[in-house]
Amino acid sequence: EAQVTQNPRYLITVTGKKLTVTCSQNMNHEYMSWYRQDPGLGLRQIYYSMNVEVTDKGDVPEGYKVSRKEKRNFPLILESPSPNQTSLYFCASWSSGNTIYFGEGSWLTVV
Amino acid sequence: GEDVEQSLFLSVREGDSSVINCTYTDSSSTYLYWYKQEPGAGLQLLTYIFSNMDMKQDQRLTVLLNKKDKHLSLRIADTQTGDSAIYFCAERAPLVFGKGTRLSVIA
Repeated sequence: EAQVTQNPRYLITVTGKKLTVTCSQNMNHEYMSWYRQDPGLGLRQIYYSMNVEVTDKGDVPEGYKVSRKEKRNFPLILESPSPNQTSLYFCASWSSGNTIYFGEGSWLTVV
Repeated sequence: GEDVEQSLFLSVREGDSSVINCTYTDSSSTYLYWYKQEPGAGLQLLTYIFSNMDMKQDQRLTVLLNKKDKHLSLRIADTQTGDSAIYFCAERAPLVFGKGTRLSVIA
């Protein structure tokens, strides 16, 4: 079954404690992307990747890092989380066709 | 840069038609999308349209694309309470979303 898997789905953490949200896709897609969703702001792109070792900043990259060492994985790293990074995060993947697949979302709370 | 704009709220009566509008800026977008998000849920792809099409119909959904004005609309016929959700339009390059339109259906 084609899917994008994010982990964890729910996390409460403390300010400054490094965390990683993993994203994995099983469709051999070239493109992957991370979004955050906040009330009234919709979905904003954090980072995206066009292929292995190729990443680029989206609209709101500050405070985040990503890596794309393998095609299937695109982890989102918060080196020193802050409360303003409390949000709902979505990972997406796609190929050159039209269908874009989203993960189920990761609810992150930073206290 | 790319920008996608849509109104934030829409309220309709059950059985009426809903029309959600969206404008975009990237004329090179080859696909334009409508996503639905129900409360507490992820994103569900509703429909998409190729940039060389003017209209696409899929059951109760009609998508209209005016490429000259960079305007996209989603019409939901016979709106039901189950259609209450946030609707996002998005353009590809990579995927850029509008802020979402919250549709409330009044019984």
